[in-house]
Amino acid sequence: DTEVTQTPKHLVMGMTNKKSLKCEQHMGHRAMYWYKQKAKKPPELMFVYSYEKLSINESVPSRFSPECPNSSLLNLHLHALQPEDSALYLCASSQERTVKTEAFFGQGTRLTVV
Amino acid sequence: KQEVTQIPAALSVPEGENLVLNCSFTDSAIYNLQWFRQDPGKGLTSLLLIQSSQREQTSGRLNASLDKSSGRSTLYIAASQPGDSATYLCAEGAQKLVFGQGTRLTINP
Repeated sequence: DTEVTQTPKHLVMGMTNKKSLKCEQHMGHRAMYWYKQKAKKPPELMFVYSYEKLSINESVPSRFSPECPNSSLLNLHLHALQPEDSALYLCASSQERTVKTEAFFGQGTRLTVV
Repeated sequence: KQEVTQIPAALSVPEGENLVLNCSFTDSAIYNLQWFRQDPGKGLTSLLLIQSSQREQTSGRLNASLDKSSGRSTLYIAASQPGDSATYLCAEGAQKLVFGQGTRLTINP
């Protein structure tokens, strides 16, 4: 099973709303990631969690708040977003501290901020 | 700082042709080079991973090669099919993946 599951698939939210994106994997991976992808652009890294601890924050605005409740789950809490935050948000996971560090991505959440 | 480039941005070929997609990177001290496929509006599907100590990897009709000295990786697709139409992305790194801009491939029946 190489599946990373993201919910919801689509989300429309107002600028004053609070919502959360969820990501789950059962591959035993200990590294999990959030990427943001704008239309016709490659994914850009937002956050990395390693062994449930935040290890990389790519200077992401505080209106995005990641959380890793356990080794299988990763959340991204959203608050007071701007229309320019509309994008495809991708979750990924990989095994750590092994030579073969293949990353597996979910299908993404299409976020629209109105 | 690693930079990854993919040329061309778009490619259109007739069905059945063999084709090569290119990926260049600036820092030869790479960790892994991974190729992905992305269908419109969807997530990324991992195709092949080449570790820095390897020269190539094969999966079905796909073959990826890595030449660190020249800073290049290629993805070879044999006997292309309309279902291969997608955007192909290469990425370098371990924890932090640096992506190329992608090549949008169209296979015409």
